[in-house]
Amino acid sequence: AQSVTQLDSHVSVSEGTPVLLRCNYSSSYSPSLFWYVQHPNKGLQLLLKYTSAATLVKGINGFEAEFKKSETSFHLTKPSAHMSDAAEYFCVVSFTGNQFYFGTGTSLTVIP
Amino acid sequence: NAGVTQTPKFQVLKTGQSMTLQCAQDMNHNSMYWYRQDPGMGLRLIYYSASEGTTDKGEVPNGYNVSRLNKREFSLRLESAAPSQTSVYFCASSENTGLFEKLFFGSGTQLSVL
Repeated sequence: AQSVTQLDSHVSVSEGTPVLLRCNYSSSYSPSLFWYVQHPNKGLQLLLKYTSAATLVKGINGFEAEFKKSETSFHLTKPSAHMSDAAEYFCVVSFTGNQFYFGTGTSLTVIP
Repeated sequence: NAGVTQTPKFQVLKTGQSMTLQCAQDMNHNSMYWYRQDPGMGLRLIYYSASEGTTDKGEVPNGYNVSRLNKREFSLRLESAAPSQTSVYFCASSENTGLFEKLFFGSGTQLSVL
């Protein structure tokens, strides 16, 4: 079976502290991996994607993610949380290019 | 720059009623998708269209039909709505199908079936 798992449904951090959102995938193949963000009552927006060119991927708004094949993980990080980062984050995997499989999402709360 | 436009934004139906969700993109993308979002389940693919003139089932196609009217437009039809179809529906598009394609999303349609 091929799937994607987001390990935390909710994460709370204080403003200015690091953010870690965890994502694991299971696959026999090397997938493409993405992180999308959804602000309240909005559509989803791409944060970053792994294209196999480099294991550490930098995205928008200071986010980055590291692809670790040995751990089948693609965790999202940010050194310092901002109030505007409060949103729902989705880890997404594609194995064939025709279909994208979404994790169940992690809701990030940023405490002032 | 409109991107992906969905209509309507909100809709309430009674069980058994039919309706069509409309989606249009102005980015000259070849591929278009319909997803539904339910609490705690992420987004699940209903149908997709890899290119104009083709459509394929996704994970949860039962109870839905789609039409790729032209390159710009991809509609989703509920022939006989059921309460289980209460959800938020998102249309998305990408330049092509491919492992590294970026999806562009509309702002969603909140559908309630009573």
